[in-house]
Amino acid sequence: SQQGEEDPQALSIQEGENATMNCSYKTSINNLQWYRQNSGRGLVHLILIRSNEREKHSGRLRVTLDTSKKSSSLLITASRAADTASYFCATGDNYGQNFVFGPGTRLSVLP
Amino acid sequence: ETGVTQTPRHLVMGMTNKKSLKCEQHLGHNAMYWYKQSAKKPLELMFVYSLEERVENNSVPSRFSPECPNSSHLFLHLHTLQPEDSALYLCASSRREGTEAFFGQGTRLTVV
Repeated sequence: SQQGEEDPQALSIQEGENATMNCSYKTSINNLQWYRQNSGRGLVHLILIRSNEREKHSGRLRVTLDTSKKSSSLLITASRAADTASYFCATGDNYGQNFVFGPGTRLSVLP
Repeated sequence: ETGVTQTPRHLVMGMTNKKSLKCEQHLGHNAMYWYKQSAKKPLELMFVYSLEERVENNSVPSRFSPECPNSSHLFLHLHTLQPEDSALYLCASSRREGTEAFFGQGTRLTVV
C-alpha cells in the first residue's frame, strides 16, 4: 500500500508566521488528506483534496495537490500557538483501499 | 469529540495477561481501523474492517486479535504481549474505506 511522506520532519516558527509542510507519495491516488495530532491524542481530520482538484481552502488552511509530481502541501497562515501539533498526510487510492500515514511533521509555534 | 469512543484510555498489563480494547462509533460508518503509534515511528495500520469483514491485516502478530461484531463496535483482544507492544492504539472509522477518517482518543497501553 502507498504511504505519504511528510517534509520537513520538524518545523519551528514564530506566532503569526506561515507554516508550510509538504507530502510526497508514490502511487496513483483518489484523494489526499491532512490530519493534525496533539500530543498523545487522536488524529483530527483537517482537509481532503481529491485527485482532480489542485487547491483547496479551509479557514487558515490551504492545501495544494500536484498529481504530476505526486506531492501536496499544507499551508497554515497566521499561525497560532494552538497550531502546535504533528501534521500527517494520508492518501486514498483508486480502489477504495484504506490509507496509510507518513511519519508526520512536528510543528512548533512559539509565542 | 469525534464520535469515536475508545476504552479504556489507559491500560497497564503484564505479559501473561489477557485484555481487550474497545472502540465504538455511532456515525453510521462502514469501515473501522486499528492503528498502532509507537514513539518516533509512523502510524502503523494494523487491521481494517469494511462492513464487518476484515479486509486487511498488515502482518500483525497473532497476539493481537481483532473482532468486529457489528458495524458500530470494534475490539482488539490482547494476549501474551511483549514490552515492545507498549504504544498508543488508535481506532478510526470512515464512511467507507479511503475516505475521511474519524479517530478516537486512543488507548495508551503499557506492557510490563
